[in-house]
Amino acid sequence: AQSVTQLGSHVSVSEGALVLLRCNYSSSVPPYLFWYVQYPNQGLQLLLKYTSAATLVKGINGFEAEFKKSETSFHLTKPSAHMSDAAEYFCAVWGTGNQFYFGTGTSLTVIP
Amino acid sequence: GAVVSQHPSWVICKSGTSVKIECRSLDFQATTMFWYRQFPKQSLMLMATSNEGSKATYEQGVEKDKFLINHASLTLSTLTVTSAHPEDSSFYICSAGDRAREKLFFGSGTQLSVL
Repeated sequence: AQSVTQLGSHVSVSEGALVLLRCNYSSSVPPYLFWYVQYPNQGLQLLLKYTSAATLVKGINGFEAEFKKSETSFHLTKPSAHMSDAAEYFCAVWGTGNQFYFGTGTSLTVIP
Repeated sequence: GAVVSQHPSWVICKSGTSVKIECRSLDFQATTMFWYRQFPKQSLMLMATSNEGSKATYEQGVEKDKFLINHASLTLSTLTVTSAHPEDSSFYICSAGDRAREKLFFGSGTQLSVL
């Protein structure tokens, strides 16, 4: 079954520093991959998605992710963190079996 | 506007009663609907996947007689929590999708509190 693993349940970065949130998937066939953000007491907001087109995907709020088949990874990055980026981030996979699973999430803290 | 409408956004009920949550796709026909529950400070746990016109596929550990899912049309799916108990209190989120057309949208969620 397809799944995603998010390394690091908590990540802290200084304001202005690089943000790197890790996500690895397990699937013999490249699935569709997503990154969502969730602010406290709110729903999900789609940051970006990979659906077999360009491997470098640009999303909203300056985030991007690169699909690397050889590493089965889909890490999320942002060159310069803002205070407003503090939130919970979820990687998700939509496999060929049609199930849609979320990773365990990474809580991002931005230090002023 | 919202592509997926989920109602109600919050509900409080007495223990032993049943609660129905609706999920409607407004702008497209969803071949698949997903239902999740989320506990505070945790991730979204997939409960079941339903394809229009067929029975839902439940994830391991999810009681299908407890959480009844109906997906009778391409625009509507419902989750009924039967004989709710306080441990069923949670945030429930639906999503509607069509993988072939690379479409997937989430509802805004329902906060269920069982007293």
